[in-house]
Amino acid sequence: EAGVAQSPRYKIIEKRQSVAFWCNPISGHATLYWYQQILGQGPKLLIQFQNNGVVDDSQLPKDRFSAERLKGVDSTLKIQPAKLEDSAVYLCASSFRGGSYNEQFFGPGTRLTVL
Amino acid sequence: AQSVAQPEDQVNVAEGNPLTVKCTYSVSGNPYLFWYVQYPNRGLQFLLKYITGDNLVKGSYGFEAEFNKSQTSFHLKKPSALVSDSALYFCAVRPLGGGGGYNKLIFGAGTRLAVHP
Repeated sequence: EAGVAQSPRYKIIEKRQSVAFWCNPISGHATLYWYQQILGQGPKLLIQFQNNGVVDDSQLPKDRFSAERLKGVDSTLKIQPAKLEDSAVYLCASSFRGGSYNEQFFGPGTRLTVL
Repeated sequence: AQSVAQPEDQVNVAEGNPLTVKCTYSVSGNPYLFWYVQYPNRGLQFLLKYITGDNLVKGSYGFEAEFNKSQTSFHLKKPSALVSDSALYFCAVRPLGGGGGYNKLIFGAGTRLAVHP
């Protein structure tokens, strides 16, 4: 079974530039999550999709971050404009359903460095 | 505020010895509890979960975790550590009854486990 795919794996940009990350979840997984993992901290949920609808985006900085999952499969997370404090690993995860006990499967992440 | 604490930044243990990685939580109600492991340049991998029932949960790679409701803890254990167990371990909780998303996980800061030959 193929896992969660993410690209790019690494990205270096200057502050105020824009960047986009892509995620392809495990086939058949209805729920998709984007997490931000700052060095030395645990992952923090940014946004959760159920199919192509947003379930939770309460911790997404909406003035600069946006995400979409138009066809209910792959997803894109965008930052515009980036700030120094956005340097982190961005993890995508998926689960078969959104149920509380359902295991989340994580991708390898995209490491973003903002200079 | 709902939170997860992993009080040790790093745990060092000799190969063959038992290991414990500590986790305590502060959430309302009876949460679901999880452990994940992260190897370098790889995503988080699920180890085990506690939903209900027996307080001792067995998971992947010989790991187990003990749920203690009175102490609000969910410590990860293994009877005999391997060098290959060296990785970053994260405890996570899923609060029930609100706090935002459906299946939302709150992670601890992580504990680095170093197993020495």
